[in-house]
Amino acid sequence: ETGVTQTPRHLVMGMTNKKSLKCEQHLGHNAMYWYKQSAKKPLELMFVYNFKEQTENNSVPSRFSPECPNSSHLFLHLHTLQPEDSALYLCASSSGGADTGELFFGEGSRLTVL
Amino acid sequence: SQQGEEDPQALSIQEGENATMNCSYKTSINNLQWYRQNSGRGLVHLILIRSNEREKHSGRLRVTLDTSKKSSSLLITASRAADTASYFCATDAGYGGATNKLIFGTGTLLAVQP
Repeated sequence: ETGVTQTPRHLVMGMTNKKSLKCEQHLGHNAMYWYKQSAKKPLELMFVYNFKEQTENNSVPSRFSPECPNSSHLFLHLHTLQPEDSALYLCASSSGGADTGELFFGEGSRLTVL
Repeated sequence: SQQGEEDPQALSIQEGENATMNCSYKTSINNLQWYRQNSGRGLVHLILIRSNEREKHSGRLRVTLDTSKKSSSLLITASRAADTASYFCATDAGYGGATNKLIFGTGTLLAVQP
């Protein structure tokens, strides 16, 4: 148990569906991240939020829409995805602020797009 | 690109042997971190070494950092079957200041045979 919880753990969706991934951290951290991990590829940083402000958008397609309503919650809204978007989506948190320290990861949401 | 690259991509050893993994990166860093990932799970932080440090120990782990060569190594001593996992290095792309932006390498898949 890392203190970062992701739901759902598994999601299957069609290309026309709209779904959301949720991440919640109970560590009192101020920075939250979305990473994408595809088979045989390195982890790709998607978004970074620091004190609820988005500080990084790594050229992610607009069919992925992040939302950070507070420092404890992070969502990834999914719309009109493609089969190549199938991957493990990992949420992480860190203390944020002036130090890029240790990241605490959730167990991931395994997404399959049909 | 800041992305690190681990070497080797895969490593198979016997229990009790030492395992050494290397990481190279391309730009100046604030710190470098090593993570471990069991198959299909989230990443777990192992150790963080700052740019002004050369060596760090944690239990059976020893990490070195050579900023002149832009490289790091992770040594696991007296390996156990439970050490079987993928190991990733990650760099903070800050230049003397933190960015809250960790970029991960390609990973080394370690298999420890009992």
